[in-house]
Amino acid sequence: GAGVSQSPSNKVTEKGKDVELRCDPISGHTALYWYRQSLGQGLEFLIYFQGNSAPDKSGLPSDRFSAERTGGSVSTLTIQRTQQEDSAVYLCASSLGGRISNQPQHFGDGTRLSIL
Amino acid sequence: DAKTTQPNSMESNEEEPVHLPCNHSTISGTDYIHWYRQLPSQGPEYVIHGLTSNVNNRMASLAIAEDRKSSTLILHRATLRDAAVYYCILKTNSGGGADGLTFGKGTHLIIQP
Repeated sequence: GAGVSQSPSNKVTEKGKDVELRCDPISGHTALYWYRQSLGQGLEFLIYFQGNSAPDKSGLPSDRFSAERTGGSVSTLTIQRTQQEDSAVYLCASSLGGRISNQPQHFGDGTRLSIL
Repeated sequence: DAKTTQPNSMESNEEEPVHLPCNHSTISGTDYIHWYRQLPSQGPEYVIHGLTSNVNNRMASLAIAEDRKSSTLILHRATLRDAAVYYCILKTNSGGGADGLTFGKGTHLIIQP
């Protein structure tokens, strides 16, 4: 079946512009995560959605970052007034939800964001 | 989440078994051991997870030490497509909320033809 789909695959924009990144999770997956991965670095958690519950935003690095999930499916990560340090690969993952420790996460191939 | 320690890199030959070690001496009783891998220019891929007993799936086997302070991911017959960074992660059974996955440096597995 279809996996997690992210778009665009690559995005180049100028410093100060806003960007929107999209994630289509696996159908039926109630949990959705956003991460970012800087060059040569590990994975950094950003935000988590579970069903209709309030999202866990504890990983968002600043108030320039926000995310929403409409209808419990598609999610959009928005970065306002982009800075060069926002350059990274932004990854989305989904899982069946439930007890977090026992559910594998399925990742998309990410959006490579480059801020000029 | 408790910390894990993995070798920075390992090298193996194609069609031979590969044993990737992970130390997690501060593991708690409710921590699950997860393994993911990441191929170049791709998102991470789930490999396997377990709690106490050894686990097998189509991709790999997970051998967990009796004291659970270490584990080994076993690729039974490595192929060139298995060349990737392998991450060993502990996830606490929090019962609510989520802090997501935290990957360390992982083990860079090199497969020689």
